[in-house]
Amino acid sequence: EAGVAQSPRYKIIEKRQSVAFWCNPISGHATLYWYQQILGQGPKLLIQFQNNGVVDDSQLPKDRFSAERLKGVDSTLKIQPAKLEDSAVYLCASSERGDEKLFFGSGTQLSVL
Amino acid sequence: SQQGEEDPQALSIQEGENATMNCSYKTSINNLQWYRQNSGRGLVHLILIRSNEREKHSGRLRVTLDTSKKSSSLLITASRAADTASYFCATDGSKLTFGKGITLSVRP
Repeated sequence: EAGVAQSPRYKIIEKRQSVAFWCNPISGHATLYWYQQILGQGPKLLIQFQNNGVVDDSQLPKDRFSAERLKGVDSTLKIQPAKLEDSAVYLCASSERGDEKLFFGSGTQLSVL
Repeated sequence: SQQGEEDPQALSIQEGENATMNCSYKTSINNLQWYRQNSGRGLVHLILIRSNEREKHSGRLRVTLDTSKKSSSLLITASRAADTASYFCATDGSKLTFGKGITLSVRP
């Protein structure tokens, strides 16, 4: 079974630039999550999708972050404009409908200079 | 907040020894999960214990849950160098919330 795919693996940008991350969940997984993990901390949920609808985006900084999941499969997370404090690893995860166990991708490490 | 808090923050043991990690939380939960993260990688699910369960085993892993004390422990028996990683507890109330993690180093 293929895992959760994320790209790019690394990204370095300057502050005020824009960046986008892509995620392809495990086939058939209805629920998709984006987490932000700052160095030395645990993952923090940014947004949760059920199919292509948003379940929870309460911790998403909506003035600069946006996410979409078209057709209930792939998802993109965008930051525009980036700030220094956005430097982190962005993790995508997916789960089967009704299953609490999450499968994570390897993440995108973002450095904002 | 339902965020789990792991203890200790860092643990260093010799290969073959047992490693015990603890997690405490503040509000009632549906289940508690433990995940492992190797350096530069995503998290891997280890084990899930539901609020009506007290103990669960999976291979060399043993998890306990005490809902009266709002705490859980993860025991890794006969540790190996490959167990070196960060370990996170995640509490599931209305949503899954992760703690800050425990860094485990297993010396060969």
